[in-house]
Amino acid sequence: NAGVTQTPKFQVLKTGQSMTLQCAQDMNHNSMYWYRQDPGMGLRLIYYSASEGTTDKGEVPDGYNVSRLKKQNFLLGLESAAPSQTSVYFCASRVYSGSGGELFFGEGSRLTVL
Amino acid sequence: AQSVAQPEDQVNVAEGNPLTVKCTYSVSGNPYLFWYVQYPNRGLQFLLKYITGDNLVKGSYGFEAEFNKSQTSFHLKKPSALVSDSALYFCAPSLGPGNTPLVFGKGTRLSVIA
Repeated sequence: NAGVTQTPKFQVLKTGQSMTLQCAQDMNHNSMYWYRQDPGMGLRLIYYSASEGTTDKGEVPDGYNVSRLKKQNFLLGLESAAPSQTSVYFCASRVYSGSGGELFFGEGSRLTVL
Repeated sequence: AQSVAQPEDQVNVAEGNPLTVKCTYSVSGNPYLFWYVQYPNRGLQFLLKYITGDNLVKGSYGFEAEFNKSQTSFHLKKPSALVSDSALYFCAPSLGPGNTPLVFGKGTRLSVIA
């Protein structure tokens, strides 16, 4: 059982380049989330999707876009990368948004923007 | 707005001694409360949760947490620390059904010294 899989695990970009982080879950979960982790800042929510086809902004959405076309996939896009987006990105899923169920996390994607 | 505070950035404890990692929260309504652990270069893993019922919740790896509604706290505890417990610990409250995703604290780094 793979759980939550993130690709790529590492990426280096130049300022202004674009890229997409991919997240796939095989647990048939309805809700999916993208967080970023920065030293001393904990985890901050970027975007989330309560169900297939819906997305909502989190705490720090600026500079990002997301797509949830399929239930098992949640994509995070950076249209024009900035050094401030250097971070470790985590995707997570749970059965339902706001439920008592716990989040399942991927192993993270480390992004460096030069 | 919901918020969470982990007042200690770092907790040091000797192996075999009891440990406590503190968490206080500000959430209206009846909160769901979670603890997660992160080992180096890994994603977050679920430890335990409080939904309702007994205020003392037992979780993975011998950890437990006590929900205190009057003090709005959910401290993580373990009777006897192991070196392998050294990791980053996150407290995360949620408002419950139909509400927003988990909000994570900034994390507390636990160091267990042999």
